Amino acid sequence: GPKVLQIPSHQIIDMGQMVTLNCDPVSNHLYFYWYKQILGQQMEFLVNFYNGKVMEKSKLFKDQFSVERPDGSYFTLKIQPTALEDSAVYFCASSFTASSGNTLYFGEGSRLIVV
Amino acid sequence: GDQVEQSPSALSLHEGTGSALRCNFTTTMRAVQWFQQNSRGSLINLFYLASGTKENGRLKSTFNSKESYSTLHIRDAQLEDSGTYFCAANTGANTGKLTFGHGTILRVHP
Repeated sequence: GPKVLQIPSHQIIDMGQMVTLNCDPVSNHLYFYWYKQILGQQMEFLVNFYNGKVMEKSKLFKDQFSVERPDGSYFTLKIQPTALEDSAVYFCASSFTASSGNTLYFGEGSRLIVV
Repeated sequence: GDQVEQSPSALSLHEGTGSALRCNFTTTMRAVQWFQQNSRGSLINLFYLASGTKENGRLKSTFNSKESYSTLHIRDAQLEDSGTYFCAANTGANTGKLTFGHGTILRVHP
């Protein structure tokens, strides 16, 4: 099936530093998402993105978070500065549409450990 | 409160048996997806439904939007079916966002 690739698969970072998580969505998809999962718990929506803009963000999408997809390259989630509570697995997803007919495809996740 | 209520939270099955997982929705949902999260943490798409029933091998899923629930039936469970199963629903607000249930941890044992 369609593949969403995420880089890195895991990263350990010192608190206060910046981290960028990269996502290569399915090639013809137009809508992009980030979700956060803490240690096998519920998948929590962070943000979605379309046509160069954030469509919706949750309370978990703190001011230290930002997303962009410059010139059709990777869809990125940047956290600056990182905090201990940012430790989680971050999943990227993409879909072709945002209507009720869309199917989201998820990447394998990027495990972030902030120490 | 949660828009997606998933049950049971955990389930233990002998190989060869079956059971059902359920998600109740507290608001109108336009579509539902079911995922299996395996031991590596990968999310595997199982089903997408806007209505009705779909079947794939030993799995069958139903979405009843009028009565606001969806089910996932597993029959003849195998060891590799172990993992966490999530339902996720789309409110149809044209944001594409899926709201996830808390998941069902399934353990299949010999």
